Amino acid sequence: EAQVTQNPRYLITVTGKKLTVTCSQNMNHEYMSWYRQDPGLGLRQIYYSMNVEVTDKGDVPEGYKVSRKEKRNFPLILESPSPNQTSLYFCASSWTSGRDEQFFGPGTRLTVL
Amino acid sequence: KNQVEQSPQSLIILEGKNCTLQCNYTVSPFSNLRWYKQDTGRGPVSLTIMTFSENTKSNGRYTATLDADTKQSSLHITASQLSDSASYICVVSAASNYQLIWGAGTKLIIKP
Repeated sequence: EAQVTQNPRYLITVTGKKLTVTCSQNMNHEYMSWYRQDPGLGLRQIYYSMNVEVTDKGDVPEGYKVSRKEKRNFPLILESPSPNQTSLYFCASSWTSGRDEQFFGPGTRLTVL
Repeated sequence: KNQVEQSPQSLIILEGKNCTLQCNYTVSPFSNLRWYKQDTGRGPVSLTIMTFSENTKSNGRYTATLDADTKQSSLHITASQLSDSASYICVVSAASNYQLIWGAGTKLIIKP
């Protein structure tokens, strides 16, 4: 089944404790991205990757890191989480660019205390 | 500044009724516009894409329209069903850099 998977689905952590949210797709897509979604706001892009070893900042990259060492994986790293990073996070992939249909993962709900 | 605005913010209708959701954008140059449906707690799923030359496109009970001159799009849902309860998000792609500008969405609730 073609899909985007994320882990964990739910995470409660404390300020300053490094964490990684994994994202994997099995559709051989070149483009992957991370979004956060907060109540009343639209999806905001954190980082995106056009291909392996190619990443770029989105609209809200502060406090986040990503890497793209393999085509299928695009982990999101929070080196020192803060309460304002409490949010619902989505990973998405598409064939070649953001212009193509985005296929989203199930989401990760992160709470930073 | 590139922006996408959706209205209404929320809408409650009875099952079986029709409704229309609005999306206005200021994105330029324009590449395409997509409507996504997002069920509660899940990732968005694409419903339809509109390009510059398309005025109307249907996907089952969903019909999207685009007026590129006024920079407006609408999503019309016919004979609503309980499963239509979701948030509907409009997103516009800029032709210059394929940047995506997301609307905040319209939360639609269908009541039996």
